[in-house]
Amino acid sequence: QVQLVESGGGVVQPGESLRLSCTASGFAFSDYGMNWVRQAPGKGLEWVAFIRNDGSNKYYTDSVQGRFTVSRDNSKKTLYLQMNSLRVEDTSIYYCAKDGLGPLYWGRGTLVTV
Amino acid sequence: QLVLTQSPSASASLGASVKLTCTLSSGHSNYGIAWHQQRPEMGPRYLMKLNSDGSHTKGDGVPHRFSGSSSGAERYLTISSLQSDDEADYYCQTWAAGTWVFGGGTKLTVL
Repeated sequence: QVQLVESGGGVVQPGESLRLSCTASGFAFSDYGMNWVRQAPGKGLEWVAFIRNDGSNKYYTDSVQGRFTVSRDNSKKTLYLQMNSLRVEDTSIYYCAKDGLGPLYWGRGTLVTV
Repeated sequence: QLVLTQSPSASASLGASVKLTCTLSSGHSNYGIAWHQQRPEMGPRYLMKLNSDGSHTKGDGVPHRFSGSSSGAERYLTISSLQSDDEADYYCQTWAAGTWVFGGGTKLTVL
């Protein structure tokens, strides 16, 4: 079955960096675009970033543009989110989510506290 | 600008049915969406993709009690025979030029 497992969250100070990982299994990872979505405490879902299946295109929400970088290693079936210059308002649970044709899937999330 | 509008809250009695609405902004009435469920203290769960013609594709293990339909710019999620664990936040989501757009979510209370 499809599994997405996020890791790398933690507590950091404003201005510091963190790298999140999302390890995929149960589907052909290299065939699908992937997203990062976050949820601040008590708030709704907010899309953060997308990367195409081959890494050729990347998109970001305005508030993280220039600070966050999404990448992937298809050989390791792993998605990454490099987060630099973190701000208090980046405090959220970060989820990875599979995109594309067919059903979507979500990971369980990893908490980032700034 | 593509916006999805959802009512902040809804309620219905145990065993009854409820219809949640997601409205697409003007000029986007042909967009398909996805519905996601988020139970308290849990991550989101994909429920279904819903096209403008009302056809939908459910996720793994989603009960038959969950169905989708469309009318114009409105996309609906109907839950029948409500159970206590249907109490959750429900989000609609669509796609726009490589991005995801979410509605604000509807908090469903099962009475």
